[in-house]
Amino acid sequence: EAQVTQNPRYLITVTGKKLTVTCSQNMNHEYMSWYRQDPGLGLRQIYYSMNVEVTDKGDVPEGYKVSRKEKRNFPLILESPSPNQTSLYFCASSPPLSYNSPLHFGNGTRLTVT
Amino acid sequence: AQSVAQPEDQVNVAEGNPLTVKCTYSVSGNPYLFWYVQYPNRGLQFLLKYITGDNLVKGSYGFEAEFNKSQTSFHLKKPSALVSDSALYFCAVRDIGGSTLGRLYFGRGTQLTVWP
Repeated sequence: EAQVTQNPRYLITVTGKKLTVTCSQNMNHEYMSWYRQDPGLGLRQIYYSMNVEVTDKGDVPEGYKVSRKEKRNFPLILESPSPNQTSLYFCASSPPLSYNSPLHFGNGTRLTVT
Repeated sequence: AQSVAQPEDQVNVAEGNPLTVKCTYSVSGNPYLFWYVQYPNRGLQFLLKYITGDNLVKGSYGFEAEFNKSQTSFHLKKPSALVSDSALYFCAVRDIGGSTLGRLYFGRGTQLTVWP
């Protein structure tokens, strides 16, 4: 089944403790992206990647890191999480050369930083 | 700057009535337009898109959307709402030109509630 898989689904952590949210897709998509969803703000893009070893900042990249060493994986790293990073996070992928292709989303990771 | 506006945070309709969820956009050039739906505890799911051609596009679950270039709008519609349509709906615009090529911009979402 074609899908985007995020792990974990739920995560509670403390301020300053490094964490990684994994994202993997099995559709051979070049484009991958991370979003955070907050009430009243919709989805805001954190980072995106057009292909392996190519990453760019989105609208809210502060406090986050990403890497794209393999086509299928696009982990989101929070080196020193803070409470304002408590949010619902989504990973998504699509073929970038066909910009009319919709994004495929994972089921989300709900992160709470205390 | 590219932007997408969904002017209504909530839309409430009775089952069987028509529904409209509004979206307007501001982007340079000719954008690609999308609607997504989000059910509780799930990721966003693609509903429909406008790329070019007929201004009325049809999508999943009986939804359709009308592209209006002069009003820069892309409203989502359904002739007869179902209770199961209750969800959060997002409009999105994909920039196909300029320095932000390929980026997708989302509106803030509209919560649709259909009551029996």
